[in-house]
Amino acid sequence: DQQVKQNSPSLSVQEGRISILNCDYTNSMFDYFLWYKKYPAEGPTFLISISSIKDKNEDGRFTVFLNKSAKHLSLHIVPSQPGDSAVYFCAASERYGGATNKLIFGTGTLLAVQP
Amino acid sequence: DAMVIQNPRYQVTQFGKPVTLSCSQTLNHNVMYWYQQKSSQAPKLLFHYYDKDFNNEADTPDNFQSRRPNTSFCFLDIRSPGLGDAAMYLCATSRGTGVREKLFFGSGTQLSVL
Repeated sequence: DQQVKQNSPSLSVQEGRISILNCDYTNSMFDYFLWYKKYPAEGPTFLISISSIKDKNEDGRFTVFLNKSAKHLSLHIVPSQPGDSAVYFCAASERYGGATNKLIFGTGTLLAVQP
Repeated sequence: DAMVIQNPRYQVTQFGKPVTLSCSQTLNHNVMYWYQQKSSQAPKLLFHYYDKDFNNEADTPDNFQSRRPNTSFCFLDIRSPGLGDAAMYLCATSRGTGVREKLFFGSGTQLSVL
């Protein structure tokens, strides 16, 4: 059962426009969310995160929004650049014993930014 | 630069022939993870080490084993690979296992089983 869902396998956006990547989750116990970015032939790298006590976190061109009631988060990239073309993974942190947490990943969304 | 290094980048093995994937880190992180990612699927945690303390996920097949001889190195052993074990295997590290910990990933090893 997929607890973190990214329903759009791919997204194509024009350079300079906004990219919006969506993520839904089912477990209300998740309390921290992260986005990772992956280029071909490289491992995922951390991009931005948000705690469940916030509804927005911004870092430069990247903003993550969290809607806890809807169990939904989104990553906005403004303006989009060709170098942003990559696979974006949404992840949620799940506590599963003591102080131990683990990340549950979504299936990823391939973003293509067209020049 | 401090990093997580996985070798080899591509690994081909035969059905049933044991194979070992390697991961090393220069970050001096306490925790090392192995994830399996099949095509178009989410990365799935197989197990992790906190220092020498091994933590296996409940649904990780017995066919998968791991060793961490020291802080820097961690190995994934697949005792009898099946066709269904063909996947990208990602090694990752973190300082701890707290809720805000970020994972640092290697580039992965793409395993093919013939």
